[in-house]
Amino acid sequence: EPEVTQTPSHQVTQMGQEVILRCVPISNHLYFYWYRQILGQKVEFLVSFYNNEISEKSEIFDDQFSVERPDGSNFTLKIRSTKLEDSAMYFCASRIRDRRNSPLHFGNGTRLTVT
Amino acid sequence: GENVEQHPSTLSVQEGDSAVIKCTYSDSASNYFPWYKQELGKGPQLIIDIRSNVGEKKDQRIAVTLNKTAKHFSLHITETQPEDSAVYFCAAIPGTALIFGKGTTLSVSS
Repeated sequence: EPEVTQTPSHQVTQMGQEVILRCVPISNHLYFYWYRQILGQKVEFLVSFYNNEISEKSEIFDDQFSVERPDGSNFTLKIRSTKLEDSAMYFCASRIRDRRNSPLHFGNGTRLTVT
Repeated sequence: GENVEQHPSTLSVQEGDSAVIKCTYSDSASNYFPWYKQELGKGPQLIIDIRSNVGEKKDQRIAVTLNKTAKHFSLHITETQPEDSAVYFCAAIPGTALIFGKGTTLSVSS
């Protein structure tokens, strides 16, 4: 069964550094998402992306965050200047269509640790 | 925006018992309600979903019920097994993004 893959599985960075988290969505999916989960808390929406532009974003997704689909397969989340509170699991998800009743498929996440 | 409330936050049952997790939502525009299971170190995995034009859906030991008037939906797991132990999240979609509840940690003891 096709799946969403994320790399790396664990990223450690120093406060103030830039990080890029990478995702390969399921190949025929058109809608892409980033979520984050602070340890022990709920999964929070960050941003959705379609047709090479952001379609929706949350209050968490401020100017420090950006997303990009640099080629036909990868989808990336960049954090420009990491803060301690950015430490979390970051999940990528994709969806085949924009119908509001189609499921999201999640990757296994990247654990970001900011020291 | 959409607010999804989920309870209980933890649930402990004996193997073979049933488990019920309940969620409420606030945005009447939501019409799709998936449930996800998250095991340690993994991403959320879809286990069942329900659309607003039905009131109940069942898949083997798992069932979901929806009451659109009251804006609540529930997950029912029957004949629980130790491998059902995980964190379960309900969700709703008012726009293009899933909004999750806070999760229920289910522990099934043998």
